[in-house]
Amino acid sequence: DIQMTQSPSSLSASVGDRVTITCRASQGVGNYLAWYQQKPGKVPKLLIYSASTLQSGVPSRFSGSGSGTDFTLTISSLQPEDVATYYCQKYNSGLFTFGPGTKVDIK
Amino acid sequence: EVQLLESGGDLVQPGGSLRLSCAASGFTFSTYAMSWVRQAPGKGLEWVSSVSDSGSSTYYADSVKGRFTISRDSSKNTLYLQMNSLRAEDTALYYCAKGARITMFRGGVWGSSFDYWGPGTLVTVSS
Repeated sequence: DIQMTQSPSSLSASVGDRVTITCRASQGVGNYLAWYQQKPGKVPKLLIYSASTLQSGVPSRFSGSGSGTDFTLTISSLQPEDVATYYCQKYNSGLFTFGPGTKVDIK
Repeated sequence: EVQLLESGGDLVQPGGSLRLSCAASGFTFSTYAMSWVRQAPGKGLEWVSSVSDSGSSTYYADSVKGRFTISRDSSKNTLYLQMNSLRAEDTALYYCAKGARITMFRGGVWGSSFDYWGPGTLVTVSS
């Protein structure tokens, strides 16, 4: 089975900083990669699908890139409301594995 | 407006069974794949199971294969998860999630991201 890893596991950044989270698949998953945001005590929310397509209503400061085994989620200017845990998920081959998550907070 | 509402979570003894339900509204239920995702207390998201729009194709995580069964009733716009032989490690908040547009792969395999999620129902397995 394909394993998903994320780095870092947590990060602390200042408001306005550019933040980058990396997701790596143990085998290629094409561009069938999604990113989710889960704020504390809340339900997960789809941010990006197909590795780089922004879900409707998601602020444009979020962007995704990559294909194959290496992917990134970038927040161009971190805002206080972006404090959350971010998960990547692959959705090819009938297994919908999530990464372990990256916790983002404000410095 | 898409709405998903899970129910059926409870405290159950190890080895016991439970059936979760997810009532869906605000979209044409029969044309979207549906999934269950769980989150143990203080832990990350774990995909559990998915079912195709027709119900004819199902996928399971290795951790639940042979113990859990996903199904759907389009006449009732409801998704189900039958959970048998429950273990302490099945303790979690169980989310129902709607699939986004399905992508077909070779061999009839399909996949999709999850664009709407319910608030979850809590399952606790303990003696």
